[in-house]
Amino acid sequence: KQEVTQIPAALSVPEGENLVLNCSFTDSAIYNLQWFRQDPGKGLTSLLLIQSSQREQTSGRLNASLDKSSGRSTLYIAASQPGDSATYLCAVNEGGADGLTFGKGTHLIIQP
Amino acid sequence: GAVVSQHPSWVICKSGTSVKIECRSLDFQATTMFWYRQFPKQSLMLMATSNEGSKATYEQGVEKDKFLINHASLTLSTLTVTSAHPEDSSFYICSAILPGGSPLHFGNGTRLTVT
Repeated sequence: KQEVTQIPAALSVPEGENLVLNCSFTDSAIYNLQWFRQDPGKGLTSLLLIQSSQREQTSGRLNASLDKSSGRSTLYIAASQPGDSATYLCAVNEGGADGLTFGKGTHLIIQP
Repeated sequence: GAVVSQHPSWVICKSGTSVKIECRSLDFQATTMFWYRQFPKQSLMLMATSNEGSKATYEQGVEKDKFLINHASLTLSTLTVTSAHPEDSSFYICSAILPGGSPLHFGNGTRLTVT
C-alpha cells in the first residue's frame, strides 16, 4: 500500500529565506504527484502537478521536482513571504482516475 | 478554471442525527468524485470514490451504510453521514476529476462537529 511521508512536519523560518519541503513515497509506480496548500480550516489549493514522465514543474517562486525511481519529490520555495504560511501537502496518484494518497503535510510558518 | 463547490462549509449536529454534504462541479461534468476526511493533525484519507450513475466504491474500513454517497448527476455528489456520533467529527472534503483524467479539483471542505 502506498505511503507518503513529508519532512519536516513543521518549519518556521524568517521572511526572505529559500526553503525546501520534502516528500517521499513508497511505491514508485505513480501516475503523477501533486503539491497542495491548505490554509487553516480551508480546502486545498493545487500548487503544482508533476506527471510521472516529468522531472520538475515551476510556478512563480515555487519549483517542484520529482525523482520517481527513488520515490522522492521536493518543493522549493524561493524568497519566502509571510503569506506563504500554510500547510503544504504532497499527494500521489497511482492511476489517472484514482483518488490521491496524501502525506500528513508540512506546517510552514514564515516569520515577518 | 475548474471549480468545485462544497456545502455547507461547517455544520454542528447532535449525536444520532444525519448530515448531508453536497459537492458540485460548477463548470464541468464530473463522472468521478472523491470524498476524503481529515482528522486533526492527520493526512487526508480517501473514503470513497463516487461514480455517476453507479454505486460508490468505499475504501477499507469505511462503513458504506453509515456514509451514504449518491452521485445522481454529472455535477453533484452527496455524502450523508447517518446517525452521526462524536467520533465522526472531522473535516470532509470532496474532489472531482476533469474529463480525461487529472488534475483533481477540491472543494473547500466541510467541518462537521457532532455534539
